[in-house]
Amino acid sequence: GAGVSQTPSNKVTEKGKYVELRCDPISGHTALYWYRQSLGQGPEFLIYFQGTGAADDSGLPNDRFFAVRPEGSVSTLKIQRTERGDSAVYLCASSPLGADGETQYFGPGTRLLVL
Amino acid sequence: AQTVTQSQPEMSVQEAETVTLSCTYDTSESNYYLFWYKQPPSRQMILVIRQEAYKQQNATENRFSVNFQKAAKSFSLKISDSQLGDTAMYFCAFIPSGAGSYQLTFGKGTKLSVIP
Repeated sequence: GAGVSQTPSNKVTEKGKYVELRCDPISGHTALYWYRQSLGQGPEFLIYFQGTGAADDSGLPNDRFFAVRPEGSVSTLKIQRTERGDSAVYLCASSPLGADGETQYFGPGTRLLVL
Repeated sequence: AQTVTQSQPEMSVQEAETVTLSCTYDTSESNYYLFWYKQPPSRQMILVIRQEAYKQQNATENRFSVNFQKAAKSFSLKISDSQLGDTAMYFCAFIPSGAGSYQLTFGKGTKLSVIP
């Protein structure tokens, strides 16, 4: 596609539920990143994929968060037993190779609201 | 660990005027990359400008330019001839050079309003 796309655009769920957020990177980009942006803050890194493998998941806040990229393209961020503190905008980005200093291209994000 | 500070939570500028957004950062790295991203209400982060720290020359992209002061760890963004479409949140971001560096570190952002 022309840019990074993310679905859904908005997601409202109840505390304790499971959610999946999807990211479609720019075609041909091997590097994919997830960030979380809380209200009034800049994005914070969650996880980085190079191809199918998670090369760096040091930003995941706890074991309720998990992400996959089984075919090296689309990625899904999964959140179990959601909590109100998980409410945020989840941004996905991709870059061609994950090379040094490469520009990361962002999608429009998914706004998650946990009631 | 790196930190990025944007000291101006909000700014406004008259259409066609010039505005400068401030950014300072703290790092022990000698080589790194700096970025300015724009985030309009649509939420999509759009790259405005990118600077390689080992390059002395300040980056420019049309109406956007930076003043990069490596010794002072300062990376300000100047927007000339401001347009209504420039209204957005602006984020400064840092990433160190080298293997294993994937994480962008962002500041808290500056909300820019362009007034007609």
